[in-house]
Amino acid sequence: QQQVKQSPQSLIVQKGGISIINCAYENTAFDYFPWYQQFPGKGPALLIAIRPDVSEKKEGRFTISFNKSAKQFSLHIMDSQPGDSATYFCAASWAGSARQLTFGSGTQLTVLP
Amino acid sequence: DSGVTQTPKHLITATGQRVTLRCSPRSGDLSVYWYQQSLDQGLQFLIQYYNGEERAKGNILERFSAQQFPDLHSELNLSSLELGDSALYFCASSFGQGVDEQYFGPGTRLTVT
Repeated sequence: QQQVKQSPQSLIVQKGGISIINCAYENTAFDYFPWYQQFPGKGPALLIAIRPDVSEKKEGRFTISFNKSAKQFSLHIMDSQPGDSATYFCAASWAGSARQLTFGSGTQLTVLP
Repeated sequence: DSGVTQTPKHLITATGQRVTLRCSPRSGDLSVYWYQQSLDQGLQFLIQYYNGEERAKGNILERFSAQQFPDLHSELNLSSLELGDSALYFCASSFGQGVDEQYFGPGTRLTVT
């Protein structure tokens, strides 16, 4: 019940295109959903996060869409750039578990020039 | 730069040995989380400390232990090392008390030979 399932495993997008990564969760107690971006040899960097009281959050080219009834959330990267090529992880946490993050399996995004 | 520091960056050691990984949280953060990243298990939560006290345990082996010191830095001790312990170990910090964003350090790459 603690799992967060992420898809696709890998994604190739042309420069200027939209990248979409999806996650689904089972634990309805989760109430915080961050996305992390990780470049090779670096630690995960917090990109954007959402709570279930809103259905969408946008920061620059990055948007999280959240569907509480379906227990799904997704990351949209608009106008994708080669510099966005990285591994993206969705995650979830809840207060009852001391906010430990449960991560998805990651999506390797490649943006072609 | 997240403001979280980890040392050493790389560690190569033999099976059966013991190592200590060190983490300094961002200035002002009270919570420290340890995560393990491996190819087969992905990113997994190990243990969390808040202001010197252990608050949550994840899939942490009995051979592993951690502590948080009065100056809030934390150490993760790994003993009786096995080949399967080879992984990236990340520390993350957050302020806590309802502020849930976790910021990751650059990680320590442990190689057990």
